[in-house]
Amino acid sequence: DVVMTQSPLSLPVTLGQPASISCRSSQSLVHSDGNTYLSWFQQRPGQSPRRLIYKVSNRESGVPDRFSGSGSGTDFTLKISRVEAEDVGVYYCMQGKHWPQWTFGQGTKVEIK
Amino acid sequence: QVQLVQSGAELKKPGASVKVSCKASGYRFSNFGISWMRQAPGQGLEWLGWISGYNDNTIHAPKLQGRLTVTTDTSTSTVFMELRSLTYDDTGVYYCARDGIAVTSPGLADYWGQGTLVTVSS
Repeated sequence: DVVMTQSPLSLPVTLGQPASISCRSSQSLVHSDGNTYLSWFQQRPGQSPRRLIYKVSNRESGVPDRFSGSGSGTDFTLKISRVEAEDVGVYYCMQGKHWPQWTFGQGTKVEIK
Repeated sequence: QVQLVQSGAELKKPGASVKVSCKASGYRFSNFGISWMRQAPGQGLEWLGWISGYNDNTIHAPKLQGRLTVTTDTSTSTVFMELRSLTYDDTGVYYCARDGIAVTSPGLADYWGQGTLVTVSS
């Protein structure tokens, strides 16, 4: 199975300051169609996960532009340019390239200092 | 708009079975698949299985082989997940999510259901 490793697992941030989460996969996520299937999800307390970013850097409709994704191959990053109170939650990366099962990172808990 | 609406919370005894439904709307059901994930209390996300909305092809996580069955009712655009021989470790929130149409499609998980809490307790 492809292993997804996130860091840090806990991220206390001051309001208005930037935040960065790293995700590393044990195998390349580049598909034969040329795309890289790495997604980021936000899970607010008590809610379902919500996809924020797909194919490394594409923001979902309605996602604030303070969220950005980058990376290639096996190393990826989610950045929040200025953390707001509504960004509190757990963030997961997910690989969607290797069948027979998708795998998620362990999750990074973002909280306000 | 795309919506996935799941059935309500379940309380089951060890050894029993549970069947959770996921009703899709707002898109052509046969153009996508549905994946099931679960989240144990305080833990991360685990992918369980997938079914195509086009031809009923399914794939299950190896650890659940023999206990998990995923089916569809295309007349109502509903997907069902049945898990048998429940143990305490099966306690958690179960989610459905829209996914690719074919076995080789890349993972999407672009829309999620609200989650169904399954509690296994004696």
